[in-house]
Amino acid sequence: DGGITQSPKYLFRKEGQNVTLSCEQNLNHDAMYWYRQDPGQGLRLIYYSQIVNDFQKGDIAEGYSVSREKKESFPLTVTSAQKNPTAFYLCASSRGEDSPLHFGNGTRLTVT
Amino acid sequence: GEDVEQSLFLSVREGDSSVINCTYTDSSSTYLYWYKQEPGAGLQLLTYIFSNMDMKQDQRLTVLLNKKDKHLSLRIADTQTGDSAIYFCAENLMFSGGYNKLIFGAGTRLAVHP
Repeated sequence: DGGITQSPKYLFRKEGQNVTLSCEQNLNHDAMYWYRQDPGQGLRLIYYSQIVNDFQKGDIAEGYSVSREKKESFPLTVTSAQKNPTAFYLCASSRGEDSPLHFGNGTRLTVT
Repeated sequence: GEDVEQSLFLSVREGDSSVINCTYTDSSSTYLYWYKQEPGAGLQLLTYIFSNMDMKQDQRLTVLLNKKDKHLSLRIADTQTGDSAIYFCAENLMFSGGYNKLIFGAGTRLAVHP
């Protein structure tokens, strides 16, 4: 079955540590996205990538970094510079342009 | 501007119809989407409507679009307990270079009671 896999489902880290969230898709989609979800708020775009080796900052990119070395993979690193990293992180992909986004099941990151 | 607004909570009785409303601000949106999120899960695409349409029906779901008022609604007929979830409205914005971005509302939590 085609889909988007995010791992792990739950992640715990100490403050000051960088952490990398995995996102893999086998839908052959060109575009991939990272969103952050906080309680009572909509999804906010962190980074997106339309093609391999290219990515753009979204609305809340500060404290995050990404890479897109392969079409299937778009890992997100939450750095120690991110002031409030505890959140639910959602990865998505699409064929691009007007196509809808398909989401993974998310990673819940807790930083203490 | 980029802003999508939804009421935060809706409670309905099982078997009744649910209507979730959404307003958006960017008249250049091409597609508008409804997503469903169950607890602890990602977002599931429910349905979508192209901006030149007024209505789309898909089984128990009916989407109405009033482009003049920038108002979108999702009607769920014969609401079941399995419909309890958070529903997100989203508009698709296109940028130069073929990039697109979805802008999401805060989500409407639908609670279905017996």
